[in-house]
Amino acid sequence: QVQLVESGGGVVQPGRSLRLSCTASGFSFSDFGMHWVRQAPGKGLEWVAVITDDGSHEYSTDSVQGRFIISRDNSKNTLFLQMNSLRSDDTGTYYCAKDRHQYDTSAQVDSWGQGTLVTVSS
Amino acid sequence: QSVLTQPPSTSGTPGQRITISCSGSSSNVGGNTVNWYQQLPGAAPKLLIYSTDQWPSGVPDRFSGSKSGTSASLAISGLQSEDEATYYCAVWDDSLNGPVFGGGTKVTVL
Repeated sequence: QVQLVESGGGVVQPGRSLRLSCTASGFSFSDFGMHWVRQAPGKGLEWVAVITDDGSHEYSTDSVQGRFIISRDNSKNTLFLQMNSLRSDDTGTYYCAKDRHQYDTSAQVDSWGQGTLVTVSS
Repeated sequence: QSVLTQPPSTSGTPGQRITISCSGSSSNVGGNTVNWYQQLPGAAPKLLIYSTDQWPSGVPDRFSGSKSGTSASLAISGLQSEDEATYYCAVWDDSLNGPVFGGGTKVTVL
């Protein structure tokens, strides 16, 4: 079965950087678009970034553009989110998720990790 | 502030039918299929309805989706206590060239 395991979360000071990883198994990782979705404490879901199956195209929400970079290593079945210049409003649980479609990206995510908590605080 | 508008909360009694709305624009709901996610307390979200009215394997047909113009709806028939959760609509937005969530609707079973 599909498994997505996030790591790399923790407490970090404002302005610093953090790199999240998501290790995938149970499916052909290189065939599917992948997503990062976050949720601030007590708030709703927010799509952070999306990357195509081959890594050739990416999308990121306005609030993280220029600060966060999504990437993937298909040889290692791993998705990354490099987060720079972190702010307090980046605090939340970050979920790694798999697109339902092969060779495409969409708003249909059919598998989620358990999430990793990022806390930005001095 | 999301480009998709949902009511913050709704409630119903066991067995009742409730609906949740998701209002958007021509660049998202009006031009693309709508998806719905269920998030139980303390859990990761789960895909509940995709492509406006399709069920992933294992989702009961008490849940149904529909769309008209720039608005979509999720209906829950035969409401059960385990349906108490927050529900999010999600659509690809052609103007943003990316996916967006609605603000979420918390369902309480009285």
